[in-house]
Amino acid sequence: AQTVTQSQPEMSVQEAETVTLSCTYDTSESDYYLFWYKQPPSRQMILVIRQEAYKQQNATENRFSVNFQKAAKSFSLKISDSQLGDAAMYFCAYRSAREGAQKLVFGQGTRLTINP
Amino acid sequence: NAGVTQTPKFRILKIGQSMTLQCTQDMNHNYMYWYRQDPGMGLKLIYYSVGAGITDKGEVPNGYNVSRSTTEDFPLRLELAAPSQTSVYFCASSPSLSRISLFFGSGTQLSVL
Repeated sequence: AQTVTQSQPEMSVQEAETVTLSCTYDTSESDYYLFWYKQPPSRQMILVIRQEAYKQQNATENRFSVNFQKAAKSFSLKISDSQLGDAAMYFCAYRSAREGAQKLVFGQGTRLTINP
Repeated sequence: NAGVTQTPKFRILKIGQSMTLQCTQDMNHNYMYWYRQDPGMGLKLIYYSVGAGITDKGEVPNGYNVSRSTTEDFPLRLELAAPSQTSVYFCASSPSLSRISLFFGSGTQLSVL
């Protein structure tokens, strides 16, 4: 079974600075998808960024980028120019690309605080 | 654009009571899911469905039941509520393509006292 581990329960960063959230995963599969979700106090789960394992290029969405290291099974999220609205719980998630395997496996989450 | 709609948003149950959490989506997605999120934890899969009439267990199905009579609706039934079922429940849906992320509802906060 696949597992996802986020080793940082809490992180904090000064506004406008850069922060990196860590995520590692365990799988025997070669084709899969990785995601970072943001959960603000409103509880809504918001997709931040997605990475397809067969793509070597790291995904980027505006101020959010990932460092995907397939061999190391590592998938970290970098937030540049941190803003107060970035404060939230961040979850890393794994999804197999195997036919019929549709569920997401989540990590435990990292609570990110932005200091003004 | 309604997306995934969950009702109710909050509920308090007494031990032993039953209730149904409603979930409906208007995106014609085949795949639907129920997750629970315990305090300070990630989401765990309770049940999922790959289409109308087809459901299957996830990681933590005990104490729950589901049905999928239509593409749009995927209700979650709690029978004989227990304090261990105090959690936030999320419904989600997805089209058939794996690379597409899940679309989540806004969650139901359930307390069993």
